[in-house]
Amino acid sequence: AQSVTQPDIHITVSEGASLELRCNYSYGATPYLFWYVQSPGQGLQLLLKYFSGDTLVQGIKGFEAEFKRSQSSFNLRKPSVHWSDAAEYFCAVGAWGSSGTYKYIFGTGTRLKVLA
Amino acid sequence: NAGVTQTPKFRILKIGQSMTLQCAQDMNHNYMYWYRQDPGMGLKLIYYSVGAGITDKGEVPNGYNVSRSTTEDFPLRLELAAPSQTSVYFCASRALHGQGHTEAFFGQGTRLTVV
Repeated sequence: AQSVTQPDIHITVSEGASLELRCNYSYGATPYLFWYVQSPGQGLQLLLKYFSGDTLVQGIKGFEAEFKRSQSSFNLRKPSVHWSDAAEYFCAVGAWGSSGTYKYIFGTGTRLKVLA
Repeated sequence: NAGVTQTPKFRILKIGQSMTLQCAQDMNHNYMYWYRQDPGMGLKLIYYSVGAGITDKGEVPNGYNVSRSTTEDFPLRLELAAPSQTSVYFCASRALHGQGHTEAFFGQGTRLTVV
């Protein structure tokens, strides 16, 4: 069965420090992978996505993620965190179901706190 | 371009009442989804639709119903509201595979409290 695991429920970093949020997936075929960010009281905004090709993908707001097939991982990184990055981050895999329809499976999210 | 629009943004219901959460998209997307978000649980799929007239259950459909009479609209109906349905509800849409974007576009959410 397809699944997405985000092992860190909460992460706290200091402003200016580097950030890595972990995501592991379980999917039998080549995955379509996504990272979304949710600011308080808001909907989900796409940060970046991976379909194929270069395994290092760049996104908005200075984020990047690296797809590692051997580790079934798609970790999100940012070299220097800003206070405005405080939010909840969701990793998701796009998957074809047995009925031929396309669904998204989300991880449980990682809440990022940024210290001034 | 409005994207995905959900109404209302907030609602308080009494146990046993019913209501409809509205969702509309203006991107001509075939796929539409309803998710609920509970703390620490991520997003759980309630119902989805692959086009007008076609809907199917997701992971947590009990207590909900949907319809899809047009490409644009995908309302979610709660009958006999229960406290367990207190949650934040998100509607999302996606283009057909091969038509460009494969990511889901989300609305701003509806925060529902059942008391």
